[in-house]
Amino acid sequence: KAGVTQTPRYLIKTRGQQVTLSCSPISGHRSVSWYQQTPGQGLQFLFEYFSETQRNKGNFPGRFSGRQFSNSRSEMNVSTLELGDSALYLCASSTDRGQMAETQYFGPGTRLLVL
Amino acid sequence: AQSVTQLGSHVSVSEGALVLLRCNYSSSVPPYLFWYVQYPNQGLQLLLKYTSAATLVKGINGFEAEFKKSETSFHLTKPSAHMSDAAEYFCAVSDLRSGAGSYQLTFGKGTKLSVIP
Repeated sequence: KAGVTQTPRYLIKTRGQQVTLSCSPISGHRSVSWYQQTPGQGLQFLFEYFSETQRNKGNFPGRFSGRQFSNSRSEMNVSTLELGDSALYLCASSTDRGQMAETQYFGPGTRLLVL
Repeated sequence: AQSVTQLGSHVSVSEGALVLLRCNYSSSVPPYLFWYVQYPNQGLQLLLKYTSAATLVKGINGFEAEFKKSETSFHLTKPSAHMSDAAEYFCAVSDLRSGAGSYQLTFGKGTKLSVIP
């Protein structure tokens, strides 16, 4: 079974631009979560989608948004990019059987550099 | 809210030596704990997880972790380090968001493991 895929793998943008990142979950997985990883803040939860609905959101400004499609694929968008948005953005999927011990499977990430 | 503390941002061991990476959690409810590994320029890979079935959990690549409720710890160990173990390791706790039916992972800051030949 194919793993979580993320595109693009690398991205360079300038301040003020917007960016869209894509995530395809493992086949059959209905929950998709997004995390931001930076050297200073570590891994931080952005949001989680299930059945095209955002169920949970972390403590990030409204410039960060996302959506999920009927095939469970997800996109996240960052508008008006700031230098501090430079990070590795990780997507994770799970089957979501409603169990706290459920494993989240991570993609390779998209590395965003904002100049 | 639950939290995780990883002691030591960087640990160096000699090849063949014991690996011990420390993780302490704070939780008001029985926790579900995970260890993930991240190799350079890659995503996170699950090493093992604690789900209350057994306090000693065995994972992939020879790693294991022991859940100690009295010490609120979930330290990761491997008897003999290999060069391929050099990576960053993250401890995480599963955190239920009430009303949402949604579980998110709260991560520690990570421990970078170096293996000296």
